[in-house]
Amino acid sequence: ETGVTQSPTHLIKTRGQQVTLRCSSQSGHNTVSWYQQALGQGPQFIFQYYREEENGRGNFPPRFSGLQFPNYSSELNVNALELDDSALYLCASRTGGGETQYFGPGTRLLVL
Amino acid sequence: RKEVEQDPGPFNVPEGATVAFNCTYSNSASQSFFWYRQDCRKEPKLLMSVYSSGNEDGRFTAQLNRASQYISLLIRDSKLSDSATYLCVVNSPLSGSARQLTFGSGTQLTVLP
Repeated sequence: ETGVTQSPTHLIKTRGQQVTLRCSSQSGHNTVSWYQQALGQGPQFIFQYYREEENGRGNFPPRFSGLQFPNYSSELNVNALELDDSALYLCASRTGGGETQYFGPGTRLLVL
Repeated sequence: RKEVEQDPGPFNVPEGATVAFNCTYSNSASQSFFWYRQDCRKEPKLLMSVYSSGNEDGRFTAQLNRASQYISLLIRDSKLSDSATYLCVVNSPLSGSARQLTFGSGTQLTVLP
């Protein structure tokens, strides 16, 4: 496997709540990206972290935020959950200069 | 218009068939190109990178035409295990070293016995 792990695997929340998803990157990878994949769609880029700083962001509102820690693991936080936030959330890691991103198994979020 | 567009599919083909997937992208600044494979309820996995000179990996052949911003994937002698969703992916610069993977919506392939 890729060596990228995510937790939890599944999560059920209600509208308005907040959620934190976690990602542990592959050893030696200092860059982590987060993606949202709605049913029947390809993954959509949320943001990227490099050495603990966000250095790229897709078309997602500010209630989607993140962190990267000194060991390069990462969190995705979503505030004020909406029904449309129900999706598979994927993180992917790579080295700073690497082209290939390696995906974790994802967290499946259901918002009721 | 979507930044990466793929054949809508689904493709249902018999074992042993040859199947081709096409993809176009709109960002001319895109730097690298990939095909990923995604099995049902699993994460995407890199199938192969795509180079301008064309490249082959066993039964899989990928082609890139930068002038027409077109990417293709050919699968020969389809196997049941090839059944999956195939995602066309483009790596585009954001700022500094940041790069964004932009995915197509995927094309579902079912290989029938």
